[in-house]
Amino acid sequence: SAVISQKPSRDICQRGTSLTIQCQVDSQVTMMFWYRQQPGQSLTLIATANQGSEATYESGFVIDKFPISRPNLTFSTLTVSNMSPEDSSIYLCSVGGRGLGGELFFGEGSRLTVL
Amino acid sequence: GQQVMQIPQYQHVQEGEDFTTYCNSSTTLSNIQWYKQRPGGHPVFLIQLVKSGEVKKQKRLTFQFGEAKKNSSLHITATQTTDVGTYFCAGATDSWGKFQFGAGTQVVVTP
Repeated sequence: SAVISQKPSRDICQRGTSLTIQCQVDSQVTMMFWYRQQPGQSLTLIATANQGSEATYESGFVIDKFPISRPNLTFSTLTVSNMSPEDSSIYLCSVGGRGLGGELFFGEGSRLTVL
Repeated sequence: GQQVMQIPQYQHVQEGEDFTTYCNSSTTLSNIQWYKQRPGGHPVFLIQLVKSGEVKKQKRLTFQFGEAKKNSSLHITATQTTDVGTYFCAGATDSWGKFQFGAGTQVVVTP
C-alpha cells in the first residue's frame, strides 16, 4: 500500500496567481499521477509524472498551465498557474498501477477556490 | 480516444433495496477497477477485474467484467446507509496505471 500526504488541503486564491501543490508518498514509486475533480464531477487525469523525465500531459492540459516537478521517487509538485475561477477544483495526487498491486492510492486532495 | 461511460449518474435507493451501476468503454480494456468516494473524501479502491467474464464478490457487492472486456457492472444487494457515496469505474488500456474514470454513480440511501 501507499500513504500519500498532500498539501495544502485547501486554499482560496486570487485570479491571476499561481499555487503549488505538494505530494509526498511514504514509499518509492515510479509513476505519480495528478487528477482534477471539479465539483460533483468525475476524475480527469492531468498528467503522469515520472522521476527524471518530463511529465506526460493528457489532452487539454499543457505544461505552461500545469507545470509538474518530480525531483525524486517519493515527491512531486503540481503548480496551477495564472489561475482563473474555472480552475476551482480538487486536485488529487495518486500513485499505483503496476508495481503496487494495480490499485490507485489517492491523497486527500487539495481543494482550490479561485476568486 | 478512450471513453468510459457510466450510468446512472444518480441513484436514490430505499434501504434494503438492490441497485446496479453500469460502466461501458469505447475500447477494449486491460482491466477495470471500481472505487468508492464518500462525501468530502477521496476515492478508495474496491476491486480490480482483469479476466474476461470475471465475477468477484465482496459481501453485498458483486462486480462483473464483460466477456469482451468493454463493460462492467457493480451490483449492491440489501443497500445500507453505509453504502452512501459515489461509485466510479476506472478503465485501463495498459498496465501502467493510467486510468480513465467514468462519470460516477452518486448513491443516496433513504432509511
